Amino acid sequence: EAGVAQSPRYKIIEKRQSVAFWCNPISGHATLYWYQQILGQGPKLLIQFQNNGVVDDSQLPKDRFSAERLKGVDSTLKIQPAKLEDSAVYLCASRSVGTDSYNEQFFGPGTRLTVL
Amino acid sequence: SQQGEEDPQALSIQEGENATMNCSYKTSINNLQWYRQNSGRGLVHLILIRSNEREKHSGRLRVTLDTSKKSSSLLITASRAADTASYFCATRSGNTGKLIFGQGTTLQVKP
Repeated sequence: EAGVAQSPRYKIIEKRQSVAFWCNPISGHATLYWYQQILGQGPKLLIQFQNNGVVDDSQLPKDRFSAERLKGVDSTLKIQPAKLEDSAVYLCASRSVGTDSYNEQFFGPGTRLTVL
Repeated sequence: SQQGEEDPQALSIQEGENATMNCSYKTSINNLQWYRQNSGRGLVHLILIRSNEREKHSGRLRVTLDTSKKSSSLLITASRAADTASYFCATRSGNTGKLIFGQGTTLQVKP
C-alpha cells in the first residue's frame, strides 16, 4: 500500500512570497490533516478535512494560509504572503474512517519550508 | 496549543539499556498514542492505549496510562542504535480524530 505522498520535500522562499504544498493521501482515506511542526516542537494541527469538507480549521492563520481538498482526494496548502515564523515542516496525514474510531493517522515525509 | 508535556526533553543511553519517556496531558482523552520521528522524516505510529486501559505491550515497547494523574509512559527495552529518534505522545479527544501532540523526547542510543 502506497503511503502519503507530499511535494515538494524542500522549499526555500523569501518573506512575502507565496508557496504551495501538495499532498496525496492513502487511497480510500476520507480524513486528511495538515500539521505545522516548528523545529524542536511537536506537530500542531492546522486543518482537518473529511472528504472535501473542513472539519476543523481553528488553528489555521486564515489571513495568510489557505487549504483545499477538491474532489476529496488530493489537497493543497498555500501560504500567501509568507513570514519568517512560517519556517517549519508541513506534514500531511490521512486516516481511514470506519467503525473503529481508534484508527491511526499515517503521515507523509513532510515539506521543509525555509523563509528567508 | 500543545496538550502534552514530555520529559525528559532529551535522553542519551547505551545500546541494550532501557529508555523511559513520560507524557502528561491536561484534558480528558479517548486514547493516547505514541509516535516516532526519525530525523527529517514523517511520524510513524508506534502504539495506542485507550482511556480504559492501563498497560499495553508491543514487542519491545510498553506503554502505561494513568488517567487519574493524566500521564503516560513509554518504555523501550533493550534499546538499539536504530531506536535513535524523537518520540511524541499524542492525545485524542472527541469524535473528530484530532490529535494533540506533546513537545517530544529526543532519544539517542549509542552503539
